[in-house]
Amino acid sequence: AQRVTQPEKLLSVFKGAPVELKCNYSYSGSPELFWYVQYSRQRLQLLLRHISRESIKGFTADLNKGETSFHLKKPFAQEEDSAMYYCALNGNSGGSNYKLTFGKGTLLTVNP
Amino acid sequence: GAGVSQSPRYKVTKRGQDVALRCDPISGHVSLYWYRQALGQGPEFLTYFNYEAQQDKSGLPNDRFSAERPEGSISTLTIQRTEQRDSAMYRCASSLGWDGPYEQYFGPGTRLTVT
Repeated sequence: AQRVTQPEKLLSVFKGAPVELKCNYSYSGSPELFWYVQYSRQRLQLLLRHISRESIKGFTADLNKGETSFHLKKPFAQEEDSAMYYCALNGNSGGSNYKLTFGKGTLLTVNP
Repeated sequence: GAGVSQSPRYKVTKRGQDVALRCDPISGHVSLYWYRQALGQGPEFLTYFNYEAQQDKSGLPNDRFSAERPEGSISTLTIQRTEQRDSAMYRCASSLGWDGPYEQYFGPGTRLTVT
C-alpha cells in the first residue's frame, strides 16, 4: 500500500525565514512525488514534481529514497507563500500519472 | 483559456436523496479523475477515465457511487441515497493523457453537505 505522511498540520514562519514542509512516503516501488498547493479561494494546482528537478517560486524538493522523504524547502519565505500544501505520490510505474495519493496537507502561514 | 469547471459549486441535500455532480474538463484532455476530500484530509482518489472508458473505479467507496463519461468529455459523479458521511469536497481533475508525466488540472470542487 502507498501512503503519504505530512507530520505538520500547521506551520508558521516569519517573512524572510527559511521554510521546510515535511513529507514522508511509503511505497515499495519507485514512486513519483509531487507537491500541490492551494492558495486561498483558488483551486488545487501543481507546484512541482521530483522528476522535473526544477525550482518553482523559489521552492525546491529533493527525493531522498533512503529516508523516503520529499521535503519542500524555500530559503526565504514570502507572505504570498501562505497556502495549504499537499504532498502526493503516484505509485504506478512507467510514468502513468493517475491515482495520486495525497497527504493530509500542511497549512503554511508566513507572517509579516 | 478555460480551466476545469464543476457544478454545482455547493450542494446541500437531505439524507436519502440522490445527487449528481458534474465535471467539464479542459477541452482536448483525454483523462479525467474524481477525488473526494473530507475535512482535514487530503484528496482521495475515487475513479478515472480515459476518453469514455472508466479505467479504474477502485476508489469508489460503495455501490451508491457511480461515474460516467459517455462522450469522453463531461463526466457525472452520482451518489444515490446520500448519507451524512458523504459530506465532503468532490474534486475533478483532467490531464492531456495518462501515459506520461501529464499534469492533472483541478477544478474548483463541489462542496456537498448531506443533512
